[in-house]
This record gives sequence, C-alpha cells and structure tokens, in this order.
Amino acid sequence: DQQVKQNSPSLSVQEGRISILNCDYTNSMFDYFLWYKKYPAEGPTFLISISSIKDKNEDGRFTVFLNKSAKHLSLHIVPSQPGDSAVYFCAASARGNTPLVFGKGTRLSVIA
Amino acid sequence: DTAVSQTPKYLVTQMGNDKSIKCEQNLGHDTMYWYKQDSKKFLKIMFSYNNKELIINETVPNRFSPKSPDKAHLNLHINSLELGDSAVYFCASSPTGGHGKLFFGSGTQLSVL
Repeated sequence: DQQVKQNSPSLSVQEGRISILNCDYTNSMFDYFLWYKKYPAEGPTFLISISSIKDKNEDGRFTVFLNKSAKHLSLHIVPSQPGDSAVYFCAASARGNTPLVFGKGTRLSVIA
Repeated sequence: DTAVSQTPKYLVTQMGNDKSIKCEQNLGHDTMYWYKQDSKKFLKIMFSYNNKELIINETVPNRFSPKSPDKAHLNLHINSLELGDSAVYFCASSPTGGHGKLFFGSGTQLSVL
C-alpha cells in the first residue's frame, strides 16, 4: 500500500529549463512533506520541505507546491543544471512519532 | 567530518551467515533510524531509536536486531542471512522536533549469495 507515490520513474530536461517532479499521497494525516535528493552511492540529502499550512515554499532555484485538496505536491527546479541530475524522493510525515514515508523516487537527468 | 557514518559500505556474504552494520552520528541528534531500500527502490523504515530506546519497530523479521549502546550509535545485526535480505541499508538521524528531517549515512550495499 503506497501512501506516497511518484508515478514518473524518470524525467529528462534540458539545461536551463524547468524541471517539475510530482508526488501524490493518500494519507490525509500527513502534515509535513519533504524532498530529498540522492546521488549514486550516497545517502539521500534533504532538499526542501513544506508544512500543510502552506501551499508554497521557495528556496533559491527550488520551489515546492502543495495542493492539499488534490493530495498532490510538486518540486520545481528553475533553471535546471547538470548538477541537479539525481534521484529525487518525496517523503511525508504525520504528527507524532511517525516515521517518514518515502516514494520510490524520480530520476532526473539534466542534459547540457 | 562525516555527520552520519556507516560501515561497511559494501558487504558480500553467504546465505546463513551473521553480519553487522555499524552507524555513528556526530550531530548530537536524539533519534536514529535504519531504513532499507529494496530492489524496487522503496525506502522503508525498519527501526527507530530515541535516546537509546526503541520507539519504532516495523514488521521486520526478528533475525534483524538493532542495538544502540548510546545515542550516537545504532548498529544493526542480522542473523541467518537470506537472499531476500540483499538491499541497501541506510542509517539516519534526526533532531527532536525536526519534523522528520533526516540526515542519512551513505548506505551499506548488502549482497547475500
């Protein structure tokens, strides 16, 4: 039972363009959402997060949008750079001592 | 200085053996975790410890036994290894009230032959 779904296993984008990575969730108890970035042979590293009381959070080239009614969030990267090529994981947590639930990840390739 | 370090990075072993993976964090975090990334690429929580006490134990076979000698260390011991245990195991830590913001180690690739 996948509570966090990333339906696109891969995405290819030209350098300088916008990358949009999508994530859907099913558990309405989730109130905090995070994106992690993972390079090969390394652990995931935290990228950006958003609380359910907001619908947008921006950090430099990265913006996360949250649509609670649709149970959908997206990560926008503008402009995309070759160094952004990695696997991006969406994750969600509920209040209390609940662990992060991760999606399967989307592999982003930014082509120069 | 590596914040969350786990050893070994690669582990190749035969079925039936017992092996351990060690994890240490120097971030001063109270909570540590073991996650497993299987062949389908899902990252799933296995265990969580807070100040050396087990707080989350997902449906993991009891061949897996975590041990936390202090809040900076969380080791994973696996008995009687099976083929299906082959995966990448990630250690992570988080501060109290960190909203699940985890800091991961670089992973241990376990291959059971």
